[in-house]
Order: sequence, then structure tokens, then C-alpha cells
Amino acid sequence: AQKVTQAQTEISVVEKEDVTLDCVYETRDTTYYLFWYKQPPSGELVFLIRRNSFDEQNEISGRYSWNFQKSTSSFNFTITASQVVDSAVYFCALSSNNQGGKLIFGQGTELSVKP
Amino acid sequence: EADIYQTPRYLVIGTGKKITLECSQTMGHDKMYWYQQDPGMELHLIHYSYGVNSTEKGDLSSESTVSRIRTEHFPLTLESARPSHTSQYLCASSDSPGRTTDTQYFGPGTRLTVL
Repeated sequence: AQKVTQAQTEISVVEKEDVTLDCVYETRDTTYYLFWYKQPPSGELVFLIRRNSFDEQNEISGRYSWNFQKSTSSFNFTITASQVVDSAVYFCALSSNNQGGKLIFGQGTELSVKP
Repeated sequence: EADIYQTPRYLVIGTGKKITLECSQTMGHDKMYWYQQDPGMELHLIHYSYGVNSTEKGDLSSESTVSRIRTEHFPLTLESARPSHTSQYLCASSDSPGRTTDTQYFGPGTRLTVL
């Protein structure tokens, strides 16, 4: 069975601090895909990144960076120099073709960035 | 990125009413999904569709039903709403054929309250 675990339920930081959101996944599929979504208070889910299991290269996009490590089944998300606008719930998700492309979500991490 | 719309954004109704939550996308995506999310909790897939005239139940049992008569439209219906149906409902679509995986893009959600 597939599973995604986000052990951090809530994180609170002060603006300009760096923060890392953890994501650990379980799957028996050899080809799979990992995602991060942001859910601001307005409720919609905003797509941030997608990573394929055969590509372990880490990625940086502005203040956001992602560390994918197959050896530890982790796909962690770091925000550098956090801002108040980063306050949201962040979801990690897993999918594979064997599962028909359906997304399995983690429990979410609520990030609060205080000024 | 998909343009995906949901109406209404907020709905408060009494027990026993029949309701339909609308979801439309303008990108011609074959796949569409409905997720249910309780406040502060993870998302659970309740229905999905691989294309016109294709609908399947998701991982979370739901009393709702869906239809897919047109590619762009994927409405969700509750024949008799109950307080236990109070939740947020998120619609998503993706542009991938068959059972393959692609990024899902989400609509703004409908927050349903059943009194």
C-alpha cells in the first residue's frame, strides 16, 4: 500500500528564518511521482513541484528547494528566508501509474510565519 | 496550468436537500477528480473519471454520485444532504491518458455546511 507521512503537524517560525517541511513516503512501485502542494487560508490547492522517482536531482526555485532521497524515502521541502505570505498548509503527495495516477496525500503541515 | 472552476464556493443548506456541486475545466483534460477534505485534515479521493462516460469511486466511501457527460464538466450530487456531509470538496483535473500519472490542478473548492 502507498502511504505519505508528514510528521510535523504545525510549525511556527519568525519571518526570515529558514524552515524545512518533512515528507516520508512508502510505496512498492519502482516508478512513482512525488508532489508538493500549498493550501493558503482561501482553501485552494496550489501546485508547487512534481518529482519523478528516477530523477533524484534536487531542485531550487527561488526561495523554495526540494531534497529528494530515495535511500530514506524522503522528499523534504525547504523555504529559505520565510515570509508571512508563506503561511499555509503544505501537503506532500504520492502517485504512480500502477495506482491509476491517483494522489495519496500526507496529513499536511501547517506553517505559520510571524512578522 | 489548468483553469478549473467550482461553484458555489460556499453553501449552507438544511438536512434532506438535494445539492449539486459544479466543476468545470477549460483545458480539455481527460481526467477529473473529486476530493473531500475536513478542516485541517488530509484530502481523500471520493470520485474520479478517466474521460467521458467514465466514473469510478475513490478510496473514501461517499454517498455522493458523479457524472461525466462532457469532457469539461464533472458535477457531484448529494441526493439528501446530512450534517455528516459538511466538509470542503475540491475538484481537480489532469492531462494524462489512461491510468498514467500527471500533475493534478485544483479548483478553489466548495465549502459545504449542512445544518
